[in-house]
Amino acid sequence: GAGVSQSPSNKVTEKGKDVELRCDPISGHTALYWYRQSLGQGLEFLIYFQGNSAPDKSGLPSDRFSAERTGGSVSTLTIQRTQQEDSAVYLCASTSSGYSNQPQHFGDGTRLSIL
Amino acid sequence: AQSVAQPEDQVNVAEGNPLTVKCTYSVSGNPYLFWYVQYPNRGLQFLLKYITGDNLVKGSYGFEAEFNKSQTSFHLKKPSALVSDSALYFCAVRDQSGGYQKVTFGIGTKLQVIP
Repeated sequence: GAGVSQSPSNKVTEKGKDVELRCDPISGHTALYWYRQSLGQGLEFLIYFQGNSAPDKSGLPSDRFSAERTGGSVSTLTIQRTQQEDSAVYLCASTSSGYSNQPQHFGDGTRLSIL
Repeated sequence: AQSVAQPEDQVNVAEGNPLTVKCTYSVSGNPYLFWYVQYPNRGLQFLLKYITGDNLVKGSYGFEAEFNKSQTSFHLKKPSALVSDSALYFCAVRDQSGGYQKVTFGIGTKLQVIP
């Protein structure tokens, strides 16, 4: 597709379960970002991938959060043993390069609700 | 360290009136500045950016922004507001200094255009 695609669009799960969120960036974009947007809050940076470089994981809030990017394209954000405070919208964005001044292209997000 | 502030949680404006959404920033070097808009249940969409040069930047949907280095501001403006402009607006900054830099987003300003 032409834009960034995220799935699922909505996810409801019970506390303690693991969840996987998927992001398909724009074809050819080497940089990929994950953000968390909580109600009434701005965007919280989680993790950044750029080509084959080591990812910047400095925004991951705990060791329950992890992410990988396979083949320099699709990325998966995994949250283990979910907690109610993990409820938020998780946004993925991509750019042609992490070193450029180009704007980020965002997906529509995954709305995660932890019961 | 870089930061961005959006001092207003919400801005209300009558349809047809000019609108301003405020943004101030802090970077150690020169900034790249961005404005994004978010409609309900959607990801962020790029509106405009400042890299260098002309301080008045024109973007999508009739929006413009003025870079003011002395006041470290990048306020978003539109001469005549439309009801359809009602959305959440985010200002973002990245330091131009060399190497990878994360983009820092503001907390967002909700724009309400009243018919």
